[in-house]
Amino acid sequence: EVQLVETGGGLVQPGRSLKLSCVASGFTFNNYWMSWTRQAPGKGLEWVASITNSGGSTYYPDSVKGRFTISRDNAQNTLYLQMNSLRSEDTATYYCTREERITMMVLIPFDYWGQGVMVTVSS
Amino acid sequence: DIVLTQSPALAVSLGQRATISCKTNQNVDYYGNSYMHWYQQKPGQQPKLLIYLASNLASGIPARFSGRGSGTDFTLTIDPVEADDTATYYCQQSRNLWTFGGGTKLELK
Repeated sequence: EVQLVETGGGLVQPGRSLKLSCVASGFTFNNYWMSWTRQAPGKGLEWVASITNSGGSTYYPDSVKGRFTISRDNAQNTLYLQMNSLRSEDTATYYCTREERITMMVLIPFDYWGQGVMVTVSS
Repeated sequence: DIVLTQSPALAVSLGQRATISCKTNQNVDYYGNSYMHWYQQKPGQQPKLLIYLASNLASGIPARFSGRGSGTDFTLTIDPVEADDTATYYCQQSRNLWTFGGGTKLELK
């Protein structure tokens, strides 16, 4: 059974840092691209970061570029999100997801999601 | 950036057809594939993948759900609608990075 379990959320002051983790099980972790997506309370989904299966390339939207860093440890089947210089607008539930790249052109996106972890940025 | 636009809400009757639209400001087709995907999210739950690459049904999703479209115009159809389908539906593009639409809340009349 595929499982993605996020940890590391909590209450943090503006300007501080927080690191999220996502432990994966039930599939061959190093075969999949991985991503973080967030959802502010009562709002829609926002993609936050993605990383290739090898970890060699990472991608971010402008809203977090330069502040957030996605990384992975394939030996430990774990995905990370280092969040620095946090702002109130970063308050959200953060989900870990996987993406299967079947070929260069064919993919199955975000087919499994973790239960999410809440991050609250407030003084 | 590729922007995805969805109507905020849609109300349909049980047993009828629901058609949810998603329009993009740029073409999301590439080498014969449309990089448009659809998700369902119920309150308090994580999203669930329904359709990928515009028209492919995700694993375990009933055939009442279908997707179509290309270029900049896409639709998700639910036919017939069941009570359990009340949820918010999001489109997502992955042609250029990843972006989600604002979501369409499906309600029953």
